[in-house]
Amino acid sequence: QQQVKQSPQSLIVQKGGISIINCAYENTAFDYFPWYQQFPGKGPALLIAIRPDVSEKKEGRFTISFNKSAKQFSLHIMDSQPGDSATYFCAATDNYGQNFVFGPGTRLSVLP
Amino acid sequence: ETGVTQSPTHLIKTRGQQVTLRCSSQSGHNTVSWYQQALGQGPQFIFQYYREEENGRGNFPPRFSGLQFPNYSSELNVNALELDDSALYLCASSLEPAATNEKLFFGSGTQLSVL
Repeated sequence: QQQVKQSPQSLIVQKGGISIINCAYENTAFDYFPWYQQFPGKGPALLIAIRPDVSEKKEGRFTISFNKSAKQFSLHIMDSQPGDSATYFCAATDNYGQNFVFGPGTRLSVLP
Repeated sequence: ETGVTQSPTHLIKTRGQQVTLRCSSQSGHNTVSWYQQALGQGPQFIFQYYREEENGRGNFPPRFSGLQFPNYSSELNVNALELDDSALYLCASSLEPAATNEKLFFGSGTQLSVL
């Protein structure tokens, strides 16, 4: 029940295209859902986050869509750029949790 | 840059040995969390320290232990190393222990290889 599932495992997108990564969870106590971006040789860095009281959050080219009833959320990267090539992790936590539960990651490659 | 530094960057040990990994948090951050990231996987929570005391622990055995010092530095110690301990170990600092709305600042990690 603590698991966060993530798909696809890898994704190849042409420059300018839309990248979509999906995540699903079971624990209904989760109430904070961040996305982290990790480049090779670096630690994860917070990209964007959402709480379940909104269905969508947009920051620049990055948008999170959230479906509370389906217990699913997704990251959309508009106008994908080669510099977006990285591994993306969705994560979740509850209001009192000390830790984040991370998905297994999606390796995104944006072709020039 | 996150302001979180980890040392060493790479380490090779043999099975049964002990290892100490070090982390320097952002100044003012009272909380440090340690995560294990196996190859091709997401980070897994090991434990968290808040004001020098353990404040939560994931599903890791007692041979994983930690320390946090008043100068915003911390250690992860692993005894009796096993082959499956080979992974990237990440520390992350934050102002407060509660995860919600807290931005974690990760270091670049220590890559541990156990032979």
